[in-house]
Order: sequence, then structure tokens, then C-alpha cells
Amino acid sequence: ETGVTQSPTHLIKTRGQQVTLRCSSQSGHNTVSWYQQALGQGPQFIFQYYREEENGRGNFPPRFSGLQFPNYSSELNVNALELDDSALYLCASSSPSGGTDTQYFGPGTRLTVL
Amino acid sequence: AQTVTQSQPEMSVQEAETVTLSCTYDTSESDYYLFWYKQPPSRQMILVIRQEAYKQQNATENRFSVNFQKAAKSFSLKISDSQLGDAAMYFCAYRSLSSGDKLTFGTGTRLAVRP
Repeated sequence: ETGVTQSPTHLIKTRGQQVTLRCSSQSGHNTVSWYQQALGQGPQFIFQYYREEENGRGNFPPRFSGLQFPNYSSELNVNALELDDSALYLCASSSPSGGTDTQYFGPGTRLTVL
Repeated sequence: AQTVTQSQPEMSVQEAETVTLSCTYDTSESDYYLFWYKQPPSRQMILVIRQEAYKQQNATENRFSVNFQKAAKSFSLKISDSQLGDAAMYFCAYRSLSSGDKLTFGTGTRLAVRP
């Protein structure tokens, strides 16, 4: 069974640029959640995708957007990057409808905005 | 809105000893899940243990157990026979059954294990 994977591992961007982060869910999981973890903080919920539709969103501006594909993999897009967007971005997969409501996390993408 | 509080930013334990990490939460709901996740320096968040609020019995996973006090809204993690590999950040998390699948995390407790 393949776990949750994320790419890239590290990314450096400059303010104002756009970035796309990718996540492959664990086999059999149809739900993907994205979290932002600033240094020294707990993860903050960005949004969740279920069967290619957004299924809940945290307090993040619209420049944070996402997609989920038919194979349940997902992308997180951030436009007009700001310095405060520097963080570890975590993806987690689950399958609430399939009885796996525990979220399993990927290793994260470290984004640095200069 | 639900909140999760971890009041111990750092804890230290001697190898082979027992340590307890504290977590309190605030909610008006009666049905929910609680989790402890471990985040080692590798950054990957690893599930340690979960508890369903409707279950009175405290969850146990090998050396890890919880003390779930629903009325007090307290959910502490006990690590027995601590090992060097237990050193990590530990996060307490709450999941409501009425607001989708999102997790609300505390700020974490950094656990050091002394050899």
C-alpha cells in the first residue's frame, strides 16, 4: 500500500509569484485535505477535496485554490505569494465514506517566499 | 469554533520513564474524534492514537495510552517506557463530526528524551 506523497520537497519563490504543490493520496482514499504549518505552530486547515469538489475551507484567502483529479490526487495553488506564505504545506488523505476517517499525512512541501 | 490547547511547549523525559502530555479542547458538540499525532524532524505527521468521544474506554496503542475526560474536555497522552525514537513534536487534534473532515490542531509539545 502506497502512502501519501507530496512534491516537491522544497521550493523557493519570490513575492508575487505563483506556486503549485502536488499530493498523491493513499491508495483507496478519496478525500484530500491541505494544511499550512508555519514555523513553531500547529497545522492550519486550508481546504478539503472530496470527489473533485471542494468540501470545506478554512480562513484562507481566495488566492489559495485547489484541484482534485479523478485519481484523487490533488494540487494546491497559491497566487500572488506573500512572505507570510512561507510554511510547511501538508497534505492528508482519508476515506470517510469508506470507513477510514483518520487522516494520513504526507511528508510535506517546505515553501520559502523571499 | 473549536479550539485545542496544549499548555506545555516543551517536555523532557528520561529514557524508559513515563511522561504525560496535556491537551484540553473547547467544543459544544457531544460527538467528535480526538487524535494525537507525532511529528519527528523528518516533518511527516504520524498518527499515534485516536479516541472516539462516544467511547468511555480510553484508547491504547502499545506504549501509548490516553486519559480522556469528556466532562473536563481533557485528552492527555501517556507514553510509557520512553524511547529515544519518541523524541518529536506531539500535536493534539480535534475533529468535529458536523463540520466535515477538518482537523483542528493545538500548538504542539516538543518532547525530548534523555538517554
